Amino acid sequence: GAVVSQHPSWVICKSGTSVKIECRSLDFQATTMFWYRQFPKQSLMLMATSNEGSKATYEQGVEKDKFLINHASLTLSTLTVTSAHPEDSSFYICSASARGIAAGELFFGEGSRLTVL
Amino acid sequence: GESVGLHLPTLSVQEGDNSIINCAYSNSASDYFIWYKQESGKGPQFIIDIRSNMDKRQGQRVTVLLNKTVKHLSLQIAATQPGDSAVYFCAESVTYGGSQGNLIFGKGTKLSVKP
Repeated sequence: GAVVSQHPSWVICKSGTSVKIECRSLDFQATTMFWYRQFPKQSLMLMATSNEGSKATYEQGVEKDKFLINHASLTLSTLTVTSAHPEDSSFYICSASARGIAAGELFFGEGSRLTVL
Repeated sequence: GESVGLHLPTLSVQEGDNSIINCAYSNSASDYFIWYKQESGKGPQFIIDIRSNMDKRQGQRVTVLLNKTVKHLSLQIAATQPGDSAVYFCAESVTYGGSQGNLIFGKGTKLSVKP
């Protein structure tokens, strides 16, 4: 299957700082990328959907000014957690799709674990 | 509505036995379903999918059953192996105007395989 890479895989930061997580599709062009967050022992919660070259669409309850998403190219989307607080500590996962969610055409990254001290 | 779990159900099976993982989905309009496997500290991995015009689909060692009447999905794993130990999520999606909507994930089930 296609490969989606996330970086960093884990990061520890101080409260109040900003953290950027990258999501790259390595062998295909991702027209759409999705960002999820996952708390321990819980399911994946969709945060936002981003299409290349346009503004991200955020799910209800997700602060767009806090979680900045940029999808500047067909192979890269970034999620920046601004002014991070301990409650933002979570596992952030991206997924990418070239032709839409169907028949396994949605590929997930390995996740990025954020710990805010 | 969405189903978000606060506690992870656990299924413990003996190596070599068959496993059945169940999922109740919430939206009767959902017409596409996927099962994912997530190992600790990793992203979800696609296992098998099924559309609502089918009630059964088989893959390699896995079978997905769909019962639209009671909004129930199950994943059967034959001859379960230690490498199958992971958390399994079902996900549902609705087709809008020819486009597939976003995936909504179920609460997940942790499968533990005893050697």
